Amino acid sequence: EPEVTQTPSHQVTQMGQEVILRCVPISNHLYFYWYRQILGQKVEFLVSFYNNEISEKSEIFDDQFSVERPDGSNFTLKIRSTKLEDSAMYFCASRGTGAYEQYFGPGTRLTVT
Amino acid sequence: QKEVEQDPGPLSVPEGAIVSLNCTYSNSAFQYFMWYRQYSRKGPELLMYTYSSGNKEDGRFTAQVDKSSKYISLFIRDSQPSDSATYLCAMRQGWGERQLTFGSGTQLTVLP
Repeated sequence: EPEVTQTPSHQVTQMGQEVILRCVPISNHLYFYWYRQILGQKVEFLVSFYNNEISEKSEIFDDQFSVERPDGSNFTLKIRSTKLEDSAMYFCASRGTGAYEQYFGPGTRLTVT
Repeated sequence: QKEVEQDPGPLSVPEGAIVSLNCTYSNSAFQYFMWYRQYSRKGPELLMYTYSSGNKEDGRFTAQVDKSSKYISLFIRDSQPSDSATYLCAMRQGWGERQLTFGSGTQLTVLP
């Protein structure tokens, strides 16, 4: 069964460093998303991406964040200068054309020290 | 008022019980409703999805949507210890590349 994959599973970084989280969406999906979940809190939407551009973004997705589809399979989330409060699980999701359900990856746990 | 409210539990039931999980929402623009299961420190796994009001059944799982009451439910029949997880409701507006809005999740434990 096709699935969304994410790497790395766990990333530890120091405050102020840049991190790139990687996702491989399901192969025939065209809509991509990033969500985050701070420990013990709700899953929160960050950004949606379609046709090589951002479709929607939340208030959380400020200038420190960027997304990119560098090739035909990968979808990345970059945080330019990490803060302690960026520590969370980051989930990538994808959706197929004509569908409304989103499929999530296993997540990357980001720890900022 | 929160957009999506979900009783966090924890909910503990004996094996074989019928489980009822619920969410209420305030935004009448929500049209698509999903239930996800999440094991500890893992990604949300899609269980059920429905559009508008009505029931949908898939094996031991039944999803119900009542848009007039802004209330959705997930029923699990013949619950198993492997059903122990956090259950998240999620919903979205309209068509297109819209974001999901999640409830806070209900933690379920099914005791053998």
